[in-house]
Amino acid sequence: DTGVSQNPRHKITKRGQNVTFRCDPISEHNRLYWYRQTLGQGPEFLTYFQNEAQLEKSRLLSDRFSAERPKGSFSTLEIQRTEQGDSAMYLCASSPSRPVPGLPSYEQYFGPGTRLTVT
Amino acid sequence: AQTVTQSQPEMSVQEAETVTLSCTYDTSESDYYLFWYKQPPSRQMILVIRQEAYKQQNATENRFSVNFQKAAKSFSLKISDSQLGDAAMYFCAYRSVGGSQGNLIFGKGTKLSVKP
Repeated sequence: DTGVSQNPRHKITKRGQNVTFRCDPISEHNRLYWYRQTLGQGPEFLTYFQNEAQLEKSRLLSDRFSAERPKGSFSTLEIQRTEQGDSAMYLCASSPSRPVPGLPSYEQYFGPGTRLTVT
Repeated sequence: AQTVTQSQPEMSVQEAETVTLSCTYDTSESDYYLFWYKQPPSRQMILVIRQEAYKQQNATENRFSVNFQKAAKSFSLKISDSQLGDAAMYFCAYRSVGGSQGNLIFGKGTKLSVKP
């Protein structure tokens, strides 16, 4: 396992279309996070899973956004009826919930992100 | 709610010199974690250094060290012997110890340029 992977890396879509992104975390990590990063800003928390349970959602996550982690492994983030304001980098991160030998339990490992452009 | 502030949008350093990036935070919690992340252009975010608030000793990782002032709620990053590969966005981040989610709270970042 070489780290957190995200697909696609880039997505260009027209306003009003639906998009779905995928995140594959590090295999032994049971916590998974989604963040959004707009230009010139730091990442902002969107939602968090422990195994398959979605335990926290930010107020940034409007009802057009939905995230799933059906088997506690990979996760998907879907945006319905995209708007130009949704244009951003969507980052996924994972961490273990208990210490793994050699790794702090609180350390989050980030994927390369999916850059979304809504035209 | 916790906040993280990075007051330097951009910094520049000459290769082989030392640079310090500033970060302040606001929290009512007594125990927490602080991090510096590096985000090179078009590449993924990687952890540079971490600090547990209960530890008085400042963390050090090779050329990177922090000055953690808990009372002042300040957490600066010092990069010694700067290298061209250090050029990147640097983000300061905060994480609570307790709670169920443990999400990171980031500052807006500092863009570091390294001049040859």
